[in-house]
Amino acid sequence: KQEVTQIPAALSVPEGENLVLNCSFTDSAIYNLQWFRQDPGKGLTSLLLIQSSQREQTSGRLNASLDKSSGRSTLYIAASQPGDSATYLCAVIGNTGFQKLVFGTGTRLLVSP
Amino acid sequence: GAVVSQHPSRVICKSGTSVKIECRSLDFQATTMFWYRQFPKKSLMLMATSNEGSKATYEQGVEKDKFLINHASLTLSTLTVTSAHPEDSSFYICSARERRESGYTFGSGTRLTVV
Repeated sequence: KQEVTQIPAALSVPEGENLVLNCSFTDSAIYNLQWFRQDPGKGLTSLLLIQSSQREQTSGRLNASLDKSSGRSTLYIAASQPGDSATYLCAVIGNTGFQKLVFGTGTRLLVSP
Repeated sequence: GAVVSQHPSRVICKSGTSVKIECRSLDFQATTMFWYRQFPKKSLMLMATSNEGSKATYEQGVEKDKFLINHASLTLSTLTVTSAHPEDSSFYICSARERRESGYTFGSGTRLTVV
């Protein structure tokens, strides 16, 4: 059974810092991996999608890497801003059946002005 | 990009009544949609996989008679919480994807409060 863990569980940084969020998964047989952000009481916004054959994806100040063989992904946020404050979730998409998302435990990020 | 619309965003109902939540794919067809439940400060828990034209597949521990799922068309899935009780109060959210290679898109969620 796939298990996804995110470290740290919570992170508080001053504005302008670069930061790294970590995601690990136990079964490397994934179809792809997706990073989301969730604001309090809201739905999920997709940030980046990495196909299993890819090593990284970039969008603006965000960069996500994937090392499938070691079961790890990182989300790098450059020059953090208060608007980046949210919960960040990584999710792996299975290779079989309905290809369900399995979510990590999340990282709550607070960026202070 | 793919858009998933979920309605209502917030509902308060009395204990014992039923509540229906709709999930629509606005600009694509989805043979499969997923329903999740989220408790405060927790991650999402998959409840069931909704399949167009056939019965939903429920995760272990989810009562299929309590949470009725209907996927009658390629753009609409509904979740009905039957005989709701206060412990059913939660945040419910659906998702779908446009193509196999696409990422998943989520609805905006429904906050259900049973009083």
